[in-house]
Amino acid sequence: GAVVSQHPSWVICKSGTSVKIECRSLDFQATTMFWYRQFPKQSLMLMATSNEGSKATYEQGVEKDKFLINHASLTLSTLTVTSAHPEDSSFYICSAIRQQETQYFGPGTRLLVL
Amino acid sequence: GIQVEQSPPDLILQEGANSTLRCNFSDSVNNLQWFHQNPWGQLINLFYIPSGTKQNGRLSATTVATERYSLLYISSSQTTDSGVYFCAVSRAASKLTFGTGTRLQVTL
Repeated sequence: GAVVSQHPSWVICKSGTSVKIECRSLDFQATTMFWYRQFPKQSLMLMATSNEGSKATYEQGVEKDKFLINHASLTLSTLTVTSAHPEDSSFYICSAIRQQETQYFGPGTRLLVL
Repeated sequence: GIQVEQSPPDLILQEGANSTLRCNFSDSVNNLQWFHQNPWGQLINLFYIPSGTKQNGRLSATTVATERYSLLYISSSQTTDSGVYFCAVSRAASKLTFGTGTRLQVTL
């Protein structure tokens, strides 16, 4: 089956620091990956679409300068939360499209900003 | 944008019981997926079902695209079925819109 990994699985950082989260498609190439955010007991909200070799497309209300996305290869996309603050604490999940529009999701990264 | 509503929001079942989860969406879609989010947060693909009916073990799903709804059936529920079930839809560009979710708890 399609496998998507994320690293790290959880991170605790001080306010003002930057955190990088990696998303990898392990057994397939993904020209498109997505980044979602999920707050406790809520649904997933799409943050941005990451396209290999081009700039990411951000959803309305998502600050592109705060959430930097890089999709340098067909198997790797990174999300950097810059100058993180407590309100950025959340569960960040990536996904990758394999075929027929089916999205496969990574295990998620829990971010806690103190 | 497209609205996706799921019902019921919460469901408690005794082990062995059957259940039906519903997903209503506000506009035509060309992609619909059902997911199970386990207690650790991992989203597990259940079905890719923009139309028609599919079955996989104790789970089955039906999407009636013309009437803008999908149903997920869980038969003979087990405690490992606990978690949150999401449907998600997209119209174009593969951007999924997630539903509100159904939180299922299966008790012994």
